[in-house]
Amino acid sequence: DAGITQSPRYKITETGRQVTLMCHQTWSHSYMFWYRQDLGHGLRLIYYSAAADITDKGEVPDGYVVSRSKTENFPLTLESATRSQTSVYFCASSETRVYGYTFGSGTRLTVV
Amino acid sequence: GQNIDQPTEMTATEGAIVQINCTYQTSGFNGLFWYQQHAGEAPTFLSYNVLDGLEEKGRFSSFLSRSKGYSYLLLKELQMKDSASYLCAVRDGTGGYNKLIFGAGTRLAVHP
Repeated sequence: DAGITQSPRYKITETGRQVTLMCHQTWSHSYMFWYRQDLGHGLRLIYYSAAADITDKGEVPDGYVVSRSKTENFPLTLESATRSQTSVYFCASSETRVYGYTFGSGTRLTVV
Repeated sequence: GQNIDQPTEMTATEGAIVQINCTYQTSGFNGLFWYQQHAGEAPTFLSYNVLDGLEEKGRFSSFLSRSKGYSYLLLKELQMKDSASYLCAVRDGTGGYNKLIFGAGTRLAVHP
């Protein structure tokens, strides 16, 4: 299917566990982003990538790791999940610097 | 740093007009976006302004004043399906990377 897809759609994990959220886009967009969305905070940027093997921190990177070995994939890993990382996570992509973003459907993560 | 302010909640009547304001402070302004987000769904692109003035797209219009750090989204002929959150986002070009910084969003409730 064309577009940007996130998996899983819902995830429950325990404190201290490692969990990886997947993001895949079929457009070969250069730019990809990870945001988390919490009530009262809106969307906050975690990490972004301008191309394969180029990543950089956003506003709230602590506790997260990303990689981008292929243009189409941009996984987000929580190395040791904490309750404060309970959130809805959105992946987005953008073709160039001048266009807006297209968002995936989101992953609702609950850390218990 | 960046700061984006918009009202938390607004209510309006079906068929009416509503204006959602957004003020921003950012060091690397490179455009302003409005997104619509229905509950439990991903944000979807509504409008984009990079130059001062009004951009009209059907029932939706967006205005930008760069000197005042101010934008608004105007929704005309409101419909019940317009009940959603509206996100103001500023594109920050600092460091050569295209990043969208989002406000916390305005939740609009349209009632009959």
